Amino acid sequence: DTGVSQDPRHKITKRGQNVTFRCDPISEHNRLYWYRQTLGQGPEFLTYFQNEAQLEKSRLLSDRFSAERPKGSFSTLEIQRTEQGDSAMYLCASSLARTGKETQYFGPGTRLLVL
Amino acid sequence: QQQVKQSPQSLIVQKGGISIINCAYENTAFDYFPWYQQFPGKGPALLIAIRPDVSEKKEGRFTISFNKSAKQFSLHIMDSQPGDSATYFCAATETNNNDMRFGAGTRLTVKP
Repeated sequence: DTGVSQDPRHKITKRGQNVTFRCDPISEHNRLYWYRQTLGQGPEFLTYFQNEAQLEKSRLLSDRFSAERPKGSFSTLEIQRTEQGDSAMYLCASSLARTGKETQYFGPGTRLLVL
Repeated sequence: QQQVKQSPQSLIVQKGGISIINCAYENTAFDYFPWYQQFPGKGPALLIAIRPDVSEKKEGRFTISFNKSAKQFSLHIMDSQPGDSATYFCAATETNNNDMRFGAGTRLTVKP
């Protein structure tokens, strides 16, 4: 499998519960990104990692959100005390950072519904 | 947060026709402009991308036209097919910046 994979593909949870999503990037890619996409909108950047270091976080990423990439390979995105407004598609993308080329490849997404 | 404006919101084209989607950006530091295609329930997939050192890039039936002075770029889909029916997103970013900004998307329907 040469693509970005995400797990689970769908998650339904009750308000106040914690959820965790996983992303496995393309194996040689050193950059990993998380985006959120709501219905009828384009993806919005949340955060990104260069190897295991989280280098940038959007102001959209509230304190209830935390992301990790412990060994520079897969990443997890956790949402604590979920709210109905967290309902969205969470997309992961990866890229290989090198001079003059920065193409992000997206996974299929995890669709979260908070009841 | 979006610095990229995309139009139209939706587009209906007959099979064989030309689909044209337009985007405008504000940040002159942007130097990479990809277009993504997204089918329902799937993540966006890179379609074609351009850098501002060229005014046009063509790959098969897909062409990006880029106007640096106007800060606008567009996607042309020639000989549109029903299988092209999807949502298309333009995006923009700086090579050394990792916050890619997406347009709001254009839902394309190609009628047989």
